[in-house]
Amino acid sequence: DQQVKQNSPSLSVQEGRISILNCDYTNSMFDYFLWYKKYPAEGPTFLISISSIKDKNEDGRFTVFLNKSAKHLSLHIVPSQPGDSAVYFCAASGNAGNMLTFGGGTRLMVKP
Amino acid sequence: GAVVSQHPSWVICKSGTSVKIECRSLDFQATTMFWYRQFPKQSLMLMATSNEGSKATYEQGVEKDKFLINHASLTLSTLTVTSAHPEDSSFYICSVGQGVREQYFGPGTRLTVT
Repeated sequence: DQQVKQNSPSLSVQEGRISILNCDYTNSMFDYFLWYKKYPAEGPTFLISISSIKDKNEDGRFTVFLNKSAKHLSLHIVPSQPGDSAVYFCAASGNAGNMLTFGGGTRLMVKP
Repeated sequence: GAVVSQHPSWVICKSGTSVKIECRSLDFQATTMFWYRQFPKQSLMLMATSNEGSKATYEQGVEKDKFLINHASLTLSTLTVTSAHPEDSSFYICSVGQGVREQYFGPGTRLTVT
């Protein structure tokens, strides 16, 4: 059973507009969430994280929102740039450990 | 974050042979490293947690006798795929656990078994 799900396998956005990537989880023990960006044949790159004690964390163009009651988080990228085109994975951990459970990924394509 | 390297970046081997993949933490002494596998268009699946100086912890369904992990120092963990078969062809990625929650990933190794 997938504990972390990204229901949209792909997303296409125009340059300059907002990209919203969604992630749902089922395990209520998860209390730390991360977003990673991945290019083909490369390892994931850490983007941004959020603890369950917060509902929002912002870093430049990237903002992560967490809705604990809905077990849902989202990554907002604004404005989107062509260089943002990649696969984005959300990941979760719990019990103060750093073992991660990954979602299936969403391929973002930002069109010039 | 931590800088992690992997070697080789790409390897082709014949069925039945063994392949060793190295994961190095270049600027951080890592007591814990993680090994993941990613099949095409799929997510990263944790294979095992590598602990310096002790035996690795394998995830359910991962054969510990097939995927040998050695974490002999704080900067090096190795994954050996023994008696490789074509179904072992995949992208293998290691990561270093730093701080309370974060992991930093290596660039990955693509294994092709012919």
